[in-house]
Amino acid sequence: GAGVSQSPRYKVAKRGQDVALRCDPISGHVSLFWYQQALGQGPEFLTYFQNEAQLDKSGLPSDRFFAERPEGSVSTLKIQRTQQEDSAVYLCASSHRDRSYNEQFFGPGTRLTVL
Amino acid sequence: GNSVTQMEGPVTLSEEAFLTINCTYTATGYPSLFWYVQYPGEGLQLLLKATKADDKGSNKGFEATYRKETTSFHLEKGSVQVSDSAVYFCALSDNTRSQGNLIFGKGTKLSVKP
Repeated sequence: GAGVSQSPRYKVAKRGQDVALRCDPISGHVSLFWYQQALGQGPEFLTYFQNEAQLDKSGLPSDRFFAERPEGSVSTLKIQRTQQEDSAVYLCASSHRDRSYNEQFFGPGTRLTVL
Repeated sequence: GNSVTQMEGPVTLSEEAFLTINCTYTATGYPSLFWYVQYPGEGLQLLLKATKADDKGSNKGFEATYRKETTSFHLEKGSVQVSDSAVYFCALSDNTRSQGNLIFGKGTKLSVKP
């Protein structure tokens, strides 16, 4: 079956531009996570959705970052007024339920480069 | 807060060599522990997991045992293959949050030479 997909795979933005990153989770998965992975580092948690509800956004680094999942499936991570420090790979993951032992399925990521 | 520390790479081995990648963690309570693998050009995939102390996770010849007394979850494989070349991430579920988001180590790059 289809896994988690993300688009675009690569995005180059000039500093100050707004970007939108899309995630299509596995159909029927309740939980959706966004992570940020800087070069040479492990992924770091950004935000969590249970269906359409954003239950945890404590990992978002600034108010320039905004995420939504209006119909409980596709999610969009938006970054306003991008800065060079936003350059990273943005990973989306989904899981069937919100228990800590459930496997999270990851998408291929979107590599964002801010010039 | 919760954290994961894993041995830094890169690790270069010859085919059929024994592999150990060390991972230790800091956490309150009893988190679930995971090893994820990222093959070149692919997304993160779950390799194995353990949900309670003394559990052993295993998959594709890899094993790791949840050791609460040493707060460790070391990854081992008896005989590596070239196809095992990848980046390996140790992770734990953040049990301070009900949703179980993952906290990752920095990753260890493994290269296996024929």
